[in-house]
Amino acid sequence: EAQVTQNPRYLITVTGKKLTVTCSQNMNHEYMSWYRQDPGLGLRQIYYSMNVEVTDKGDVPEGYKVSRKEKRNFPLILESPSPNQTSLYFCASSRLGGPGGYTFGSGTRLTVV
Amino acid sequence: TQLLEQSPQFLSIQEGENLTVYCNSSSVFSSLQWYRQEPGEGPVLLVTVVTGGEVKKLKRLTFQFGDARKDSSLHITAAQPGDTGLYLCAGDRSGGGADGLTFGKGTHLIIQP
Repeated sequence: EAQVTQNPRYLITVTGKKLTVTCSQNMNHEYMSWYRQDPGLGLRQIYYSMNVEVTDKGDVPEGYKVSRKEKRNFPLILESPSPNQTSLYFCASSRLGGPGGYTFGSGTRLTVV
Repeated sequence: TQLLEQSPQFLSIQEGENLTVYCNSSSVFSSLQWYRQEPGEGPVLLVTVVTGGEVKKLKRLTFQFGDARKDSSLHITAAQPGDTGLYLCAGDRSGGGADGLTFGKGTHLIIQP
C-alpha cells in the first residue's frame, strides 16, 4: 500500500530535550515536506526537499532541522524544543513535475511542556 | 505569501441538504487541490483542478476552478453524515509542486443525521 509513515503518533517531551520525528514514504517520490497544523492558522510549511541532499526552508523553519540522506526518509529534528512548538505535525510526499497531490502521513501530535 | 481564503469557516447542515464551499485568492495558481481531513488523520486528496473553468465530479461532490485560476468551489449535493470533516483547498504556487502548496485554513463541515 502506498503510504507515508510517521513516528511517533504522539509525543510529550520537556523543553530543551532534542527529539526526532521520522517520516518514510514507499512511493519513490522526489518531493517531501513537513507541515505543522495549528488552530486558526491552518497548515504551514516548515521545510521541504526536492530530492536527496536538497532541502529548503518553508514558511516557518525556525527551531527545526531536516535531512534527506535517502530518497524515502525525511526526518524532522527539534534540537531544543520549546512550548510554542506544541502542534500537530504532518509529513507529505509527492511526485515532482506534475499537478499531482500530496500524500500525507497520519500526523504526530507533539506536546512540549 | 499567497493567501487562500476559505468560506465559510464552519458549516453545520442537515443530511440531504446541498452546500457550497469557496476558496478564493488574489493570486493565480497553476493548479488547485481539495483535501478532506478527518480528526486524528492526515489530509486526503480529493481532486486536482488544473485548467481555468475546469469542472470535476466525484460522486456527489463537484469541484470547479475559476476561469482566471484564482478561485475554486466545492459543491456537495444531498450531503450525508459521512461527508463530515475538514475540507482544505491548496494552491500550487509554481507548477509541478517545487515550491510547495499554500493551504487555506479550511472549512469545518458537520452533516447532522
